[in-house]
Amino acid sequence: QKEVEQDPGPLSVPEGAIVSLNCTYSNSAFQYFMWYRQYSRKGPELLMYTYSSGNKEDGRFTAQVDKSSKYISLFIRDSQPSDSATYLCAMSGDDTGRRALTFGSGTRLQVQP
Amino acid sequence: NAGVTQTPKFQVLKTGQSMTLQCAQDMNHNSMYWYRQDPGMGLRLIYYSASEGTTDKGEVPNGYNVSRLNKREFSLRLESAAPSQTSVYFCASSRTSGHTTREQFFGPGTRLTVL
Repeated sequence: QKEVEQDPGPLSVPEGAIVSLNCTYSNSAFQYFMWYRQYSRKGPELLMYTYSSGNKEDGRFTAQVDKSSKYISLFIRDSQPSDSATYLCAMSGDDTGRRALTFGSGTRLQVQP
Repeated sequence: NAGVTQTPKFQVLKTGQSMTLQCAQDMNHNSMYWYRQDPGMGLRLIYYSASEGTTDKGEVPNGYNVSRLNKREFSLRLESAAPSQTSVYFCASSRTSGHTTREQFFGPGTRLTVL
């Protein structure tokens, strides 16, 4: 079983929809959580960064972390065709014994005009 | 600011050939990383350098070597390329607090094909 699980999709939604992307994880030592957006044939671009549990909002994007359930989410409001990309969750922690991020395998999102 | 830059963008090698992938960052980050990305496998860490002068193996280090040339530059070398090394390679950098990496910033990637 992977340490971070992410539904690969593809997730197809109409323009203007609210999108919910999710990851579950098994290591309770994770405490820093990130969402990356990756367009086709490009490098991952950092979208959101949160520490521990709670919500963080940035424009149309909201990141939620529920450490008790080991579950993180990214919500995209008023989705646009330009949001079509692969979304990767990533996480790290002080007590994981490793210095790199642990990534989910990514969810491919398609927003239909 | 250029952020993280990588060269080359594309490369085709024959089995057994060698090559070096170059990476540089201008964000004054201490830590740098090399990942490979394969379909269905996500991003897998090859090697990382927590600070200038140090390097450590990641999840998939076999067949690769690295050099942290200075604080800005971190190169990845394939000594004898194999078809299994066909992949997209990403370099990343981050500030590090203690032993923990926080957000990482990625380069545009190098698409490598080994025939």
